[in-house]
Formats: sequence, C-alpha cells, structure tokens
Amino acid sequence: NAGVTQTPKFRVLKTGQSMTLLCAQDMNHEYMYWYRQDPGMGLRLIHYSVGEGTTAKGEVPDGYNVSRLKKQNFLLGLESAAPSQTSVYFCASSTRGQPSYEQYFGPGTRLTVT
Amino acid sequence: GEDVEQSLFLSVREGDSSVINCTYTDSSSTYLYWYKQEPGAGLQLLTYIFSNMDMKQDQRLTVLLNKKDKHLSLRIADTQTGDSAIYFCAERGMDSSYKLIFGSGTRLLVRP
Repeated sequence: NAGVTQTPKFRVLKTGQSMTLLCAQDMNHEYMYWYRQDPGMGLRLIHYSVGEGTTAKGEVPDGYNVSRLKKQNFLLGLESAAPSQTSVYFCASSTRGQPSYEQYFGPGTRLTVT
Repeated sequence: GEDVEQSLFLSVREGDSSVINCTYTDSSSTYLYWYKQEPGAGLQLLTYIFSNMDMKQDQRLTVLLNKKDKHLSLRIADTQTGDSAIYFCAERGMDSSYKLIFGSGTRLLVRP
C-alpha cells in the first residue's frame, strides 16, 4: 500500500512549456485534491475532484487544468508555464468512509519555471 | 469568508512543552486538523478534533478547542529535536468538496 504517490519529484520548465503532473492513490479514495505551497502562504487549493470523471475549481485554478479519468489518478496540467507557477505541488486524497475526511498527502513535486 | 491564522515561528528548548496556536473564522467547521511537515516532505496528519469536543489527547499531543473564541491549540509535551518541523492548522470546508483551509504554518525549532 503506497498511499499517495506523485510523479515527477522535481522539474524545471522554461516559460511557455507545458507539462503534466501525475498523482496516484491506491486507497480507493473518492476525493482527490491538488494544492500548491508557496513560502509563507500555506497550501492553496488549485482543483479538486469528488469522483471519477468530475473536477472542480479551487481557490487558485487559473493556468491549470485537471483530469480524473480513473478513480486512482488525478492529473494536473500546465499548458503554458509561467514563472509565477514556480512552487511545490501537493496532491492529496480522502474518503467519505472516514467521518473525519482526513486528507492523505503525497511527497510533493518541486517545479521551477525559468 | 474562511480564514485560518497562525503565528509564523516558535522556538523552544528540548524537553520543554510547545504550544502552537491557531485561529479560524468559520464557526460551522466540523473538523479541525493539525498536520506536520518535515523539510522536503509532504504533510503528515498528526491529529484532528471534532467541533463538539473541547480537548483531545494523543500521547504527547494535546489539542484544545475554544469554539467561542474560534481558537485551536496544539501542545507538544517533552518536545524533542525530531519535532522540529512546520505545523499546519486546517479547518474543513462545509461544502461537498470537503476541502481543507490551511493556515500559513508555524515553524517550530527545538534547541538542544
């Protein structure tokens, strides 16, 4: 049981390039989330999904797209990277099977856009 | 709106108790959480408290909830150098997303 995994761990992009971050969970969780973490700002929600085939915008969705084609995977895409998207990205998942809906986090992806 | 605030930094001596404070604004929050983040790692859930509780104890950790003042605290007894990390307070949103609203984190430094 690996929990939540993220690929890649590190990436450097040039402005205007695109990339996809992959999140996978093996806990059969219904809910999945993408956050970004910037110094002194805590975690901010980018997009989330409450089930396979559904996605919704979070607090800071601009410049990102997501897809949840399979229950265990949640993809975050950057179509045209900008320096403002330099950040650490965390994926998380949770389940309605636990009343606390606690979220389990992946190890993060550190992205630098030059 | 929803907002969670924490002090940025706390320094304690090894063996002392640490108290990390948090205030939140959403009085309808049902669950409040404490997460720990070690350098270069993801967030690890430490504990949570349901809003109808005033206190929860789990080994060295004690969570106190003052609903009237919307104040949450995490006390770590006998703080060790391994407790040095960033601690995040979070409240659960009330909509169907069950999203978490995080504070900006408190960096705890434990001095030997």
